Amino acid sequence: NAGVMQNPRHLVRRRGQEARLRCSPMKGHSHVYWYRQLPEEGLKFMVYLQKENIIDESGMPKERFSAEFPKEGPSILRIQQVVRGDSAAYFCASSPGGANEQFFGPGTRLTVL
Amino acid sequence: AQRVTQPEKLLSVFKGAPVELKCNYSYSGSPELFWYVQYSRQRLQLLLRHISRESIKGFTADLNKGETSFHLKKPFAQEEDSAMYYCALSAPGAAGNKLTFGGGTRVLVKP
Repeated sequence: NAGVMQNPRHLVRRRGQEARLRCSPMKGHSHVYWYRQLPEEGLKFMVYLQKENIIDESGMPKERFSAEFPKEGPSILRIQQVVRGDSAAYFCASSPGGANEQFFGPGTRLTVL
Repeated sequence: AQRVTQPEKLLSVFKGAPVELKCNYSYSGSPELFWYVQYSRQRLQLLLRHISRESIKGFTADLNKGETSFHLKKPFAQEEDSAMYYCALSAPGAAGNKLTFGGGTRVLVKP
């Protein structure tokens, strides 16, 4: 089991472009969480998804951010019209069930120029 | 709202000395508390959780509900303990198990 995979590991975008971050959970895991870490801060919860469903998006900014976890394929965190303040490390975690330990991916570092 | 505070951004100790990382939380119910660790160039991983009451790599943490704290302790620090440590909380019964993290404490163990 290769663990949680995230790609790309580094992503550079110019202001106004779109960023797509991918997360492949561990085999057998159907629960995915996205967290954001701003410089010098801890991780902050963004969204919790199960296959084809968003369960909790209380940490997602209301505009420009969206997430999905389709029946087939990785979970995608999409940021439209990026701004400099979106520069951060984005971490994905997966678990086999909602109350189980979360396993984290290596993160995607987004830089907005 | 739940909140986790780690007052120390950096702890520097000598090898063999005790180390204690402070964690305080605010939550109205009975949360589940965790310590996560991130070693250099590695991903974040669970170190221990309060419900398991076990010692991992010599580390222990006791949940003190009266003081709303979950401090992490190790009596004799080793150089390989140098890492970033995050205290985290989850609210049982809520949908899923989303974690609220503290700001992290960097531990540097000097030889």
